[in-house]
Formats: sequence, structure tokens, C-alpha cells
Amino acid sequence: NAGVTQTPKFRILKIGQSMTLQCAQDMNHNYMYWYRQDPGMGLKLIYYSVGAGITDKGEVPNGYNVSRSTTEDFPLRLELAAPSQTSVYFCASSPGQGGYGYTFGSGTRLTVV
Amino acid sequence: DAKTTQPPSMDCAEGRAANLPCNHSTISGNEYVYWYRQIHSQGPQYIIHGLKNNETNEMASLIITEDRKSSTLILPHATLRDTAVYYCIVRVYGSARQLTFGSGTQLTVLP
Repeated sequence: NAGVTQTPKFRILKIGQSMTLQCAQDMNHNYMYWYRQDPGMGLKLIYYSVGAGITDKGEVPNGYNVSRSTTEDFPLRLELAAPSQTSVYFCASSPGQGGYGYTFGSGTRLTVV
Repeated sequence: DAKTTQPPSMDCAEGRAANLPCNHSTISGNEYVYWYRQIHSQGPQYIIHGLKNNETNEMASLIITEDRKSSTLILPHATLRDTAVYYCIVRVYGSARQLTFGSGTQLTVLP
């Protein structure tokens, strides 16, 4: 079982560039999430999805977009990258609305220069 | 979701029990206590959760006080690999609000 797979692991972007962070899970979880973590800080929720075709904003959605066309995949799109988006991005999934059993990916470390 | 308070850091000797406290004095009757940990540079990992009874699994034990205003996560025999940031989170089980991570406790297990 791969769990939650994130690609790429590292990326350097120039200001104004765009990119998509990929996230895939093989546990048939309906719920998926994107968090960002700045150095020395806790995780902040960017977007989440409760099933294919359904997405909603989290705490810090500005500058990001998501889509959920399948149960397995939940890509995060950065448009017009800014230095403030330099962070580590974690994708997670969970079987339901309970707070237990979140499975996180290994993260994507993004630097915007 | 109720606010939680955790010490910013703690040390523990390898092989000894690590007791991580969490204060949640404003917890309501339908809110659960969840514990996650994050080992350096990795994604958080679920540890355990409970409502009012003490809970134990293969990773840890969770002790919740009778008034539910505080709890303690116990790692019975800490190893160097348990060095991590531990997050205590309180939320309603089926809440539409997603899991929110605070600043947690940095546990350092010393050889």
C-alpha cells in the first residue's frame, strides 16, 4: 500500500511561474486535504475535498486552486507564484469526517525566488 | 473547536515514559481529543484519540481527566525515533471543520 503519494518532492519556482503539485491516494478515502507548513509553524489548511467533484476552501486558499475529478487524485495548482508561497506542502486523506486516521504524504518542499 | 495549550518543548530519557500534557479547559461534551505527531520533515502521523475513557493502542496511551479539561499522552518506553512535535487537537467527531494543527510540543528523547 503506497498510502498518499506526493510529487515532486522538491521544486524551485521563479516569481510569476505556475505549477501543479500532485497528490494521489490508493486507500479509497473520500476526504482529501492540502496543508502548508511554514518553517517552525503548524500546518494550515489550504483546500479540502469531501469527494470527487466537491472542493472547499480552508484557512489560507488565496493563490491556490484545486480540482477533484477522481477519488484518487487531488492536485493543487499554484498560479503566479510569490515568495510568500515558499513552504512545505502536505497532502492528506482520511476515511471520513472523524479526526482520526488522517494519512499524510511526505510533502513537497517549494521555494519561490 | 476548543483551544488547546501544550508546553512548547520537553525532554525525556530514552527507555523512560514520556508524558505529554495538554490542557483543553473549554472542551465541550461532544468534542474528542486527538493526538498526532510530526517527525522532522515528514507529514504528521495519527497516534490516538478518545472522548472520555482512557485509550491505549500499540503506539501510546491517552489519559483524559474525569472533568475532561486536560489529557496526557503517554509513550511508555520512549526511543530516539519518538523525537517529534506532538499535536493535541480537540474537535467534534463529525465536524465539517477540518483538522487544525497548533504549534504542539517538541519532544526530544535523549540517549
